Amino acid sequence: EPEVTQTPSHQVTQMGQEVILRCVPISNHLYFYWYRQILGQKVEFLVSFYNNEISEKSEIFDDQFSVERPDGSNFTLKIRSTKLEDSAMYFCASSEGSTGELFFGEGSRLTVL
Amino acid sequence: GENVEQHPSTLSVQEGDSAVIKCTYSDSASNYFPWYKQELGKGPQLIIDIRSNVGEKKDQRIAVTLNKTAKHFSLHITETQPEDSAVYFCAASMAYNNNDMRFGAGTRLTVKP
Repeated sequence: EPEVTQTPSHQVTQMGQEVILRCVPISNHLYFYWYRQILGQKVEFLVSFYNNEISEKSEIFDDQFSVERPDGSNFTLKIRSTKLEDSAMYFCASSEGSTGELFFGEGSRLTVL
Repeated sequence: GENVEQHPSTLSVQEGDSAVIKCTYSDSASNYFPWYKQELGKGPQLIIDIRSNVGEKKDQRIAVTLNKTAKHFSLHITETQPEDSAVYFCAASMAYNNNDMRFGAGTRLTVKP
């Protein structure tokens, strides 16, 4: 069964460092998303991406964040200068259309020290 | 924007008992309500969903009910089994836009053998 894969599963970084989280969405999906979950809190929408551009972003997704689809398979989330409060589980998701089932990856846990 | 509240945050039941998880939403325009199950080390997976034109939907041991007037919906699991142990997330969105999917904080269900 096709699945969304994410790397790394866990990353520890120092405050102020840049981090790139990688995702490989399901191959025939056209819509891609990043969510995050701070420990014990809600899963929060960060950004959605379609046709090589951001289609929507939340207030969390400020100038420190960027997304990119550098090739035909990867979808990346970059945090330019990490802060302690960026520590969270980051989930990538994809969907075939703008509606319908979201398929999630296993998540990347980011710990900022 | 939409705000989804989920209760309880943890739930422990004996094998064979029923489990009920409740969610409320704030935006009366929301009309699509999926439930996701997240097993340890995996990403959330869709287990059942309901649209606002029906009040109840069943799939074997799981069912979801929706009360549009009160803006709440619930997940019911009957005859629980240890493999039902997981974190369950409710979500709400307008069916034509995955971008505005908003999640609850999750319920950790433990089924004791």
